[in-house]
Amino acid sequence: GAVVSQHPSRVICKSGTSVKIECRSLDFQATTMFWYRQFPKQSLMLMATSNEGSKATYEQGVEKDKFLINHASLTLSTLTVTSAHPEDSSFYICSATDRAETQYFGPGTRLLVL
Amino acid sequence: KQEVTQIPAALSVPEGENLVLNCSFTDSAIYNLQWFRQDPGKGLTSLLLIQSSQREQTSGRLNASLDKSSGRSTLYIAASQPGDSATYLCAVGVGANSKLTFGKGITLSVRP
Repeated sequence: GAVVSQHPSRVICKSGTSVKIECRSLDFQATTMFWYRQFPKQSLMLMATSNEGSKATYEQGVEKDKFLINHASLTLSTLTVTSAHPEDSSFYICSATDRAETQYFGPGTRLLVL
Repeated sequence: KQEVTQIPAALSVPEGENLVLNCSFTDSAIYNLQWFRQDPGKGLTSLLLIQSSQREQTSGRLNASLDKSSGRSTLYIAASQPGDSATYLCAVGVGANSKLTFGKGITLSVRP
């Protein structure tokens, strides 16, 4: 099946620094990618929808200046958490849709902000 | 606003038991419904995708049904095995290439 990768898988950073997370579709082109956040024992919450070559669409309550999304190609989207704070610590998961409209999820990135 | 509910939050069964996981959603105007498996600290693996026009999908020991009018879906797992232990998430989509609304998941433990 289709594969979506994320890098890094785990990152620890100091409060106030910025962290970039990459999401790649390895064997298919994805016109749409989604970024989700999951807190412990909670459901996945959509943060934003990313379309190649255009600005991301953010969900209500998600700060677009804090969570910068760039979808530069059909196989790569990046999420940058700017000026990270401890409350941003979470599990970030991306997904990408193929032409059959099936969403494939990445393995997730565990972010810990100290 | 679409809400997806999965009850109970956790379930423990002995190996070999057949079991049913339930999912309910508040808005029946869905495009599709998907069941996922998530292992601890890992991403999601898609198990079954049911389009709104379909009633059920089967894959191996798994069978998922969809009743749009009542806002319900079930995931049936036959002859459960310890390797089935994981969190099972239900999610509904409202259109092609659309975002998914997830339930909180059911954490299943299958005892040897």
